[in-house]
Amino acid sequence: AQSVAQPEDQVNVAEGNPLTVKCTYSVSGNPYLFWYVQYPNRGLQFLLKYITGDNLVKGSYGFEAEFNKSQTSFHLKKPSALVSDSALYFCAVRALNSGNTPLVFGKGTRLSVIA
Amino acid sequence: DGGITQSPKYLFRKEGQNVTLSCEQNLNHDAMYWYRQDPGQGLRLIYYSQIVNDFQKGDIAEGYSVSREKKESFPLTVTSAQKNPTAFYLCARTPLTAPGDYGYTFGSGTRLTVV
Repeated sequence: AQSVAQPEDQVNVAEGNPLTVKCTYSVSGNPYLFWYVQYPNRGLQFLLKYITGDNLVKGSYGFEAEFNKSQTSFHLKKPSALVSDSALYFCAVRALNSGNTPLVFGKGTRLSVIA
Repeated sequence: DGGITQSPKYLFRKEGQNVTLSCEQNLNHDAMYWYRQDPGQGLRLIYYSQIVNDFQKGDIAEGYSVSREKKESFPLTVTSAQKNPTAFYLCARTPLTAPGDYGYTFGSGTRLTVV
């Protein structure tokens, strides 16, 4: 079975400081990993993905994520937070060789960037 | 809209009433999904479909029904058997070929409220 854990319901960070939103996963075999962002009353928007290759993945709006196979983690990071980054962030996973099984999503982490 | 449209944006249902949420995509993608979002619970899979005239139950299918009579449309009916339907409903699409490469594209959602 596939699963995703986002251990923090809420992350607060001051504008200009670095931010990290944590994600750990469990799959059989190698994972596809994704981060999505959601603004109020909107659908989810794709931020970045990891499939294979470099463990550091760069995505939209200056976000990046680091894949760590030994720790089964895929934490989302940004060097300098903006107030406009305040939103709900979701990590998602599926196994690389699972056919077309649906993505499994974490429960989300609400990021609040304070000016 | 990223090639996927959900309607209506807001929907009100009376007790004991069936309602249907629309999801239409114009990119000829094979796979479509319905998720339910509740505060603090993330996204939970209701139903998904990978080909016309075929669909599979997700984790919380009870009280819901779907159809996939044509590739571009995947409507969700919330029946009177769904005892707690108030939630935000999200539809998503992805191509079956290399679905992991693209992740999902989400619609903008329908907020359903029981009155």
